[in-house]
Amino acid sequence: AQTVTQSQPEMSVQEAETVTLSCTYDTSENNYYLFWYKQPPSRQMILVIRQEAYKQQNATENRFSVNFQKAAKSFSLKISDSQLGDTAMYFCAFMKRAGNQFYFGTGTSLTVIP
Amino acid sequence: GAVVSQHPSRVICKSGTSVKIECRSLDFQATTMFWYRQFPKKSLMLMATSNEGSKATYEQGVEKDKFLINHASLTLSTLTVTSAHPEDSSFYICSARTTAGVADTQYFGPGTRLTVL
Repeated sequence: AQTVTQSQPEMSVQEAETVTLSCTYDTSENNYYLFWYKQPPSRQMILVIRQEAYKQQNATENRFSVNFQKAAKSFSLKISDSQLGDTAMYFCAFMKRAGNQFYFGTGTSLTVIP
Repeated sequence: GAVVSQHPSRVICKSGTSVKIECRSLDFQATTMFWYRQFPKKSLMLMATSNEGSKATYEQGVEKDKFLINHASLTLSTLTVTSAHPEDSSFYICSARTTAGVADTQYFGPGTRLTVL
């Protein structure tokens, strides 16, 4: 079975600063995808970034980047130059490459302080 | 990017009635859609996987006779909560898996808040 753990229920960061959200997972699979989704107060789930496990290079999307450590089964999200609009719940998710099901972490509530 | 819509966004119904929620992929075809339930400040709990043209696959503990899922076309899946009770009040979210664009990614609808009185 796959499990995804987010050990930080709540975090805060000053506007324009950098914050890192942690995520670890457990799997025996070798081919899989990892995702970070953002859920703002509107509750719309928004894809932030996606990583393919076979790629060693860390994914980046503008101010968002990940630190993917496959051996350690770690997948942290770094948000640079934090903006007020980044305030949201962030979920880490795992999906087997040959599968359908997403396994979500319990989420980290991030607040950006003006 | 891929867009998924849900209708209605909010529904209030009386106990014992049935409620239908629609999930549509607007600009792509989705052979597989997913239904989740989310309690306040909690993660998403997968209820079932909806496959176009075949029966849905339900997660353990989810009553298939209570939560009816129909995936009639490549762009539409429906979830019907039958004989709803107050404990069914929740936020229901659908997602659709796409193999186009950002492949093997799920795009989520905006959710439906169900309140059963």
